[in-house]
Amino acid sequence: DAGVIQSPRHEVTEMGQEVTLRCKPISGHDYLFWYRQTMMRGLELLIYFNNNVPIDDSGMPEDRFSAKMPNASFSTLKIQPSEPRDSAVYFCASSALPSGYGYTFGSGTRLTVV
Amino acid sequence: KQEVTQIPAALSVPEGENLVLNCSFTDSAIYNLQWFRQDPGKGLTSLLLIQSSQREQTSGRLNASLDKSSGRSTLYIAASQPGDSATYLCASGEGGANNLFFGTGTRLTVIP
Repeated sequence: DAGVIQSPRHEVTEMGQEVTLRCKPISGHDYLFWYRQTMMRGLELLIYFNNNVPIDDSGMPEDRFSAKMPNASFSTLKIQPSEPRDSAVYFCASSALPSGYGYTFGSGTRLTVV
Repeated sequence: KQEVTQIPAALSVPEGENLVLNCSFTDSAIYNLQWFRQDPGKGLTSLLLIQSSQREQTSGRLNASLDKSSGRSTLYIAASQPGDSATYLCASGEGGANNLFFGTGTRLTVIP
């Protein structure tokens, strides 16, 4: 398996534009997580899915953020409209087990909103 | 909500030294405690995972310990090498939640 695949690796966009980040989890992993990493706040969980169903989205900052998992092999995180404070590295991770076991992270998407 | 803290935020040591990285957490009812390594521009790689019933785990030059009663974990790196330079993050796994709670990390630099 190629691991967790995220695209794009880098995204630069203007304030107000829509941004879509993509993630392909490891096959067979039932859990998918979206994290955001900033210097000030470290790694924060935004949302996670179990068997394609959103379980906890309490970390999603506001209504501008939305995430979907239409099938077991694909998830998106969308920001609309984007703002400069959304600039961060967004990581996707997947695992086959609950409670933090067997996490595998993608390489992240570095988002810059100007 | 679990709070995970790592001090110091940055550490520089000369090559060959043994070193200890510290992690503290507020809620001792954890399922496990995990240490990750993050290289610049990369994702996180799991190094060691200690289950709540265990006291330590070892992998090569790395040894992680867990003291739930005091809310602390340490990562011991023996005979450090320049290739160990990276950011090290600890994270607690919870029984009631399937996500991990991360510390802010310690950026380690090993000087040749």
